[in-house]
Amino acid sequence: SYVLTQPPSVSVAPGKTARITCGGNNIGSKSVHWYQQKPGQAPVLVIYYDSDRPSGIPERFSGSNSGNTATLTISRVEAGDEADYYCQVWDSSSDHPGMVFGGGTKLTVL
Amino acid sequence: QVQLQESGPGLVKPSETLSLTCAVSGYSISSGYYWGWIRQPPGKGLEWIGSIYHSGSTYYNPSLKSRVTISVDTSKNQFSLKLSSVTAADTAVYYCARVHSGSYEGDYWGQGTLVTVSS
Repeated sequence: SYVLTQPPSVSVAPGKTARITCGGNNIGSKSVHWYQQKPGQAPVLVIYYDSDRPSGIPERFSGSNSGNTATLTISRVEAGDEADYYCQVWDSSSDHPGMVFGGGTKLTVL
Repeated sequence: QVQLQESGPGLVKPSETLSLTCAVSGYSISSGYYWGWIRQPPGKGLEWIGSIYHSGSTYYNPSLKSRVTISVDTSKNQFSLKLSSVTAADTAVYYCARVHSGSYEGDYWGQGTLVTVSS
């Protein structure tokens, strides 16, 4: 089955740029989606199709995907960005296609 | 505005069947999209359980496939999850979500419901 690997934690100072990676075999050939989840809340889609933003998501959130790594970039980080972030793809390459999530990355704003 | 709301028992006994329903408002299930179930054990990450298309075709997580049934009721605009032979490892917050066909991202999610497996 397809595996997505994320760093468990990332720390960044307010106003700086946070980069959260999501590694997977030839992930650049797949569409990657990113979710933000704050404590006690449901996940919220922040990036889809590698780099598109849903309505209402600030332009500070951006995404890229190439080779074996997809990246979620959060510019000018704010305290309110502190959350868990998950990447997700649809794995159609196996006999059992389905949604695959990364293990999640906890973003801490220092 | 699309809204999803999970409902069902918050406590299930070991070996019994967990049953949840997701009521959808603001969008007709029969108009398209996949409809999915995702769960999150306490303090852990997200795990996809399965998805169903409005026509009834399904995809299941192979690790749960033998125990999972997802169905759709277009007349009530809702879809359901049944997970049989539950154990404590099935204790989790269960989310339902609308999933785009083709790209398979979940754009609308329910608030989630905690299901505890315990005698």
